[in-house]
Amino acid sequence: DAGVIQSPRHEVTEMGQEVTLRCKPISGHDYLFWYRQTMMRGLELLIYFNNNVPIDDSGMPEDRFSAKMPNASFSTLKIQPSEPRDSAVYFCASSFNNLPYGYTFGSGTRLTVV
Amino acid sequence: KNQVEQSPQSLIILEGKNCTLQCNYTVSPFSNLRWYKQDTGRGPVSLTIMTFSENTKSNGRYTATLDADTKQSSLHITASQLSDSASYICVVSVGDGNNRLAFGKGNQVVVIP
Repeated sequence: DAGVIQSPRHEVTEMGQEVTLRCKPISGHDYLFWYRQTMMRGLELLIYFNNNVPIDDSGMPEDRFSAKMPNASFSTLKIQPSEPRDSAVYFCASSFNNLPYGYTFGSGTRLTVV
Repeated sequence: KNQVEQSPQSLIILEGKNCTLQCNYTVSPFSNLRWYKQDTGRGPVSLTIMTFSENTKSNGRYTATLDADTKQSSLHITASQLSDSASYICVVSVGDGNNRLAFGKGNQVVVIP
């Protein structure tokens, strides 16, 4: 298995532009999580899905952030409009039945908003 | 509030030496505690997972301990190697049925030759 696949690996965009981050979870995993990591705050959960349905989006910072999971093999995190304070590394993770064993992170997308 | 505190924030050790990283948590109810290793530019990778009844678990040169009474965990690295240079993140799962995770900010370890 190729693991959790995220794209792009790096994204540099100008303030005000729309940014879309993509994630392909491990096949067979029914939970998908989006995290944001910064030096100041560490890893923070933004939103998670179970069987493609958003379960908890309380970590989404504001309405500029949205996430979708149209099918079991694909999810997107969109920021519109982007702001410099959104600069961070965004991770996607997936797991089976939300169990700790096999809970796998992707390699992340480093987002820089200038 | 469910919190996870790690210490030291960073440390530098000589190759071949041992080191111990600390994790204190206030998470309740407790489900499990995980240690992850995060190499620069990569995602976290699981090292150990411990439930309430487990007080030690090893993964190669990594040994984690758990004291659920004092809500403390440690990660011991034996005979450190250059490849051990990474951030080590303590993660505690909240046993409230949602299995939400509380993350520490990590211990940054640098191994020098």
